[in-house]
Amino acid sequence: NAGVTQTPKFRVLKTGQSMTLLCAQDMNHEYMYWYRQDPGMGLRLIHYSVGEGTTAKGEVPDGYNVSRLKKQNFLLGLESAAPSQTSVYFCASSLDWAGGYTFGSGTRLTVV
Amino acid sequence: SQQGEEDPQALSIQEGENATMNCSYKTSINNLQWYRQNSGRGLVHLILIRSNEREKHSGRLRVTLDTSKKSSSLLITASRAADTASYFCATGNYGQNFVFGPGTRLSVLP
Repeated sequence: NAGVTQTPKFRVLKTGQSMTLLCAQDMNHEYMYWYRQDPGMGLRLIHYSVGEGTTAKGEVPDGYNVSRLKKQNFLLGLESAAPSQTSVYFCASSLDWAGGYTFGSGTRLTVV
Repeated sequence: SQQGEEDPQALSIQEGENATMNCSYKTSINNLQWYRQNSGRGLVHLILIRSNEREKHSGRLRVTLDTSKKSSSLLITASRAADTASYFCATGNYGQNFVFGPGTRLSVLP
């Protein structure tokens, strides 16, 4: 089925470890986004991309890096995980800035 | 900030009743979207309404937009247990990213 696929679904990291979250979409969408969701705070934008090879910072970019080497993939990296990065991470994509977003099912990350 | 703020934070109703939730925002927008999130899942796009539109329908959903009051409402008619979820509004302007509110948790009781 068409959509946005996130891997992994769950992960536990120790403080200081690094990891990469992968997002893949097969809808030929130009725009892709990484959000984090914390209780009572809604979704906050970490980084986004408006096309292959482009990335930009969102609302809460510190401690994260991203890459969009292929149009269908958007990677989110944590270089040195901190407990404050414990959250649920969602990837989303859209055809353009105004299109409805298609979300992945999320990655639950715990940093201990 | 143009962040939308949903109201109420939580809502409990009986099956068959209508559910209304509101979204208020602070600055002018080009469009507003509503999303649903079931527990443990990603958000699902429900409806998009543009600033020059006043009302849109999709099945049992009705969305209104009042740009003079900077507010929108989502009405779910004849609610079902399966409508139990969190509902988010997202506001946006051309060239800017959409900003999501903290959501309304809807519980539909059998």
